Amino acid sequence: EPEVTQTPSHQVTQMGQEVILRCVPISNHLYFYWYRQILGQKVEFLVSFYNNEISEKSEIFDDQFSVERPDGSNFTLKIRSTKLEDSAMYFCASSSRTGWFVHTEAFFGQGTRLTVV
Amino acid sequence: GQQLNQSPQSMFIQEGEDVSMNCTSSSIFNTWLWYKQDPGEGPVLLIALYKAGELTSNGRLTAQFGITRKDSFLNISASIPSDVGIYFCAGQRGGGADGLTFGKGTHLIIQP
Repeated sequence: EPEVTQTPSHQVTQMGQEVILRCVPISNHLYFYWYRQILGQKVEFLVSFYNNEISEKSEIFDDQFSVERPDGSNFTLKIRSTKLEDSAMYFCASSSRTGWFVHTEAFFGQGTRLTVV
Repeated sequence: GQQLNQSPQSMFIQEGEDVSMNCTSSSIFNTWLWYKQDPGEGPVLLIALYKAGELTSNGRLTAQFGITRKDSFLNISASIPSDVGIYFCAGQRGGGADGLTFGKGTHLIIQP
């Protein structure tokens, strides 16, 4: 069964350092997303990406964040200068466009746990 | 921003019991989704609902999309130990590019 894969599973970084989280979405999907989940809290939307550009972003996704699809398979999230409060589980998701009403279902990867120290 | 109110926050039940949880919102959503999350894992899609009033089943799970498009419920019948986990409702306002708004989750605990 196709799945979204994320690497690494756990990343520890020092405050102020740059991190890149990597994702390989499901191959025939067109929409890509990043979400984060601070420990014990709900999943929060960060950004969606379609046709090689950002479609929508939340207020969490500030100038410290960027996304890129460097090739036909990878989708990355970069945090330029990490802060302690960036520590969270980051989930990549992808979905396909089906039908007239653009009904979609997002499938999530297993996540990358980012710990900023 | 939009918020989903999910209840209950946690449930302690006996194996074999039925479970019911729900989400409400002050805003309309065009799609409602129910996910289950196990510790250290990503959310796994259980049921997707696309039309107001729609009632959909997936094995022992049944979910409904409220007629006002502002609420949804999930029922689990005859719970088993592997049902333990956190259940999240999620709503999507529009189509593919729109991000999901998640509820805070219902933590299901099954007592032996």
